[in-house]
Amino acid sequence: DTAVSQTPKYLVTQMGNDKSIKCEQNLGHDTMYWYKQDSKKFLKIMFSYNNKELIINETVPNRFSPKSPDKAHLNLHINSLELGDSAVYFCASSQAYIRTATHGTEAFFGQGTRLTVV
Amino acid sequence: KNEVEQSPQNLTAQEGEFITINCSYSVGISALHWLQQHPGGGIVSLFMLSSGKKKHGRLIATINIQEKHSSLHITASHPRDSAVYICAVRSRSGGGADGLTFGKGTHLIIQP
Repeated sequence: DTAVSQTPKYLVTQMGNDKSIKCEQNLGHDTMYWYKQDSKKFLKIMFSYNNKELIINETVPNRFSPKSPDKAHLNLHINSLELGDSAVYFCASSQAYIRTATHGTEAFFGQGTRLTVV
Repeated sequence: KNEVEQSPQNLTAQEGEFITINCSYSVGISALHWLQQHPGGGIVSLFMLSSGKKKHGRLIATINIQEKHSSLHITASHPRDSAVYICAVRSRSGGGADGLTFGKGTHLIIQP
């Protein structure tokens, strides 16, 4: 009954390949996110997706594309993988999206996917 | 300068000590989160604050909106509290993916 689940937990792949990381939440939340944790353990937002509206962070390369088949899923597709893409990717969800909301914006995180590009 | 600054970066303490981790931010926020990242890598949300103080077990989180500062306290610390504690804020400003902005984390080690 994990709230936010990501698969796979570990992913090792060669440069140039295309790969996907799946994320599912069973909390009934409207908003889902992808975060990247780099080698220095610094977390940074990549995307957020709220009720079919995708908000793209402009610092993310076009090779990264989130896809949401339904509200409970937000998968991350990465094309033409590069060495610098190696990182831990975290999926998260929250009930509310509104910036000024003082409730319902608590973030629930998946366990992370460690991607290693060789 | 990062929008979210945490101190200390590393903290080693003895079991039983009272622990304080500080977080300062430079933007207007709608909420502040304290997260715990386990040695295995998983992240757990500890608190979400927009004002005042919250307590959960041995953990206490406070926030001072005027001073743009929050603290996370751990009473009667235990080796199982060893983890990275991350402060994150949800900004009121527009643009971007409107997720959380994270501090760099405080690596806490509690020795028996």
